[in-house]
This record gives sequence, structure tokens and C-alpha cells, in this order.
Amino acid sequence: AQSVTQLDSQVPVFEEAPVELRCNYSSSVSVYLFWYVQYPNQGLQLLLKYLSGSTLVESINGFEAEFNKSQTSFHLRKPSVHISDTAEYFCAVSEGGGATNKLIFGTGTLLAVQP
Amino acid sequence: KAGVTQTPRYLIKTRGQQVTLSCSPISGHRSVSWYQQTPGQGLQFLFEYFSETQRNKGNFPGRFSGRQFSNSRSEMNVSTLELGDSALYLCASGPQGTITGELFFGEGSRLTVL
Repeated sequence: AQSVTQLDSQVPVFEEAPVELRCNYSSSVSVYLFWYVQYPNQGLQLLLKYLSGSTLVESINGFEAEFNKSQTSFHLRKPSVHISDTAEYFCAVSEGGGATNKLIFGTGTLLAVQP
Repeated sequence: KAGVTQTPRYLIKTRGQQVTLSCSPISGHRSVSWYQQTPGQGLQFLFEYFSETQRNKGNFPGRFSGRQFSNSRSEMNVSTLELGDSALYLCASGPQGTITGELFFGEGSRLTVL
């Protein structure tokens, strides 16, 4: 069965500092990988995705993630965070196989950006 | 393009009652999924519907049920509510013709069971 591990439940960081949120997955088949962000009292928003092709994917607000098949990782990085990046971030893997849109989520990482 | 719309946003019920939550997907999307989000269990998959058929189901008791209508709108129902059913219920729609797991979420329905 597929699973997603986010080891850090909370990551405090100062504004303008770099940050990395870690995500590891387990899967015996080809995967589609996602990072979703959830702001307080809101639903989830897709931040970025890896479906195929380049292993480095970027979002419009400066986040990037790299798919590493050998390490089964999909870590999220940003070189300089802003207060507005404070939110919970969820890594997810598609159960895939082309038969379902079901996602398996990690437990989430709360990114707390401090001034 | 309107996003995923969930109603009601907030509701309070008592144990033993039942509740129905509604979800209108993005226009043109035929896949609708439901997730339960709680602080202890995180995001748990409930079920997925595609073209009015349940395509996948999570590991929840039979008290949790759902359906999808011909216009792709979906409802989920929880009967005989328990305190542990208190959660944020999220609906997500998927683009027609693609099955990748790229989902668009609504803001959720927050259920409190007293």
C-alpha cells in the first residue's frame, strides 16, 4: 500500500530564511506527487505537482520540489519565506494506476514564519 | 470559472442525528471525492464518484454514504452521528478525462457533533 511520511509536524522559520519541508513516499508503482497548502479555515490548494518529465517542479509563488526516485522523496523548498507563507503543507501521492483520483496524504507540516 | 462549492459551511448536530453535505464541483469536472479531516487522523479518503458511479471507497463504516447526480453534484450522508464524526469534510473535483490525482478542493463543511 502507498503511504506518505512528513516527519516534521511543525517548522518554525524566520522571515526571509530558506526552508525545506520533507516528504517521503512508499509506492511500488509509478506515482504522481503533489504538495497542497491549507490556510486557516480554508480548503486545500494545489501548490505544485509532479506527473512526469522534469524532476524539478516549481510553483508561481517561489516554492519548488524535486522528485527523487532513488530516495523516494519529494521535498518542498523555498529560498526565502514570507509571513504570508504561514500555513499547513500536505504532501500527497496519487494511488494512481489510471483508475482513480484517490490521494494518500501525509500528516502535514505547519510552516510558521516569524518576523 | 467558479470553484468547488460546499454547503453548509458550518453545522452543529447531536449524537444520533444524521447529516447531509452537498458539493458542487467545478463546471465540467465529473470526478468528485470526499475527505474527512481531523486533528488526530489527518486527511482520510471517504469515497470517489465518477459519472454517478462510486469508483473507490475508503475504510469508513456504512454510516457514511454518498451519491452523485447526473449534473455531477454530489452529496454525502452520515447517519447515527457519533462524537468522533466531528471533522472538516472536504470535497474535491477532478478534471474530466484525466486521472492523475490533481484535485481542486472546496473550503469544506465543518461538522460539530455534540
